Amino acid sequence: GDSVTQMEGPVTLSEEAFLTINCTYTATGYPSLFWYVQYPGEGLQLLLKATKADDKGSNKGFEATYRKETTSFHLEKGSVQVSDSAVYFCAFTNQAGTALIFGKGTTLSVSS
Amino acid sequence: GAVVSQHPSWVICKSGTSVKIECRSLDFQATTMFWYRQFPKQSLMLMATSNEGSKATYEQGVEKDKFLINHASLTLSTLTVTSAHPEDSSFYICSAKHRGSNYGYTFGSGTRLTVV
Repeated sequence: GDSVTQMEGPVTLSEEAFLTINCTYTATGYPSLFWYVQYPGEGLQLLLKATKADDKGSNKGFEATYRKETTSFHLEKGSVQVSDSAVYFCAFTNQAGTALIFGKGTTLSVSS
Repeated sequence: GAVVSQHPSWVICKSGTSVKIECRSLDFQATTMFWYRQFPKQSLMLMATSNEGSKATYEQGVEKDKFLINHASLTLSTLTVTSAHPEDSSFYICSAKHRGSNYGYTFGSGTRLTVV
């Protein structure tokens, strides 16, 4: 069935380190892909999205490229900050407007 | 930006009682509302999808008589956990899809339910 596999956390990095959080998906058709972030005590917020193959989503220094051939949507950031500490969720939807299917989330902790 | 207000943010109730969770879209119309449940260190699991003015569609394995969903208006959806038991303790999150947008989903901040 449809699913998202996300790298296990927690991920612990020092400030200015490079970040990669792997995400692969199993889906029918041509899904739209998302990364959401959940800061402590807050709701999920959309970080970035890509709706077709080879699209690159980007926001706040984070990037992810829709790779259809590898069914992946890995999240990257060149230089993390302490304020990036949060839980990151990879998600997709098979059909626009339908419910999102989420990965388990990856906790990122950045220290100064 | 779009905001979904979800409350209460946490609630403790006794076994056998019912609890209502509300989600309101504050500055947009939510044609569709999704209700999720999240267990510790697990993903968000979709419980049901509700469209304004119609009955909710429940995912397999979710008891519709236990988890009552009402979406009577374009700005309000409620989830009522009836006759709650300790195994219903969990984190419940709502998500609203914006009218006119296929990719606009806004999430509430979640409700931590503890049944004792």
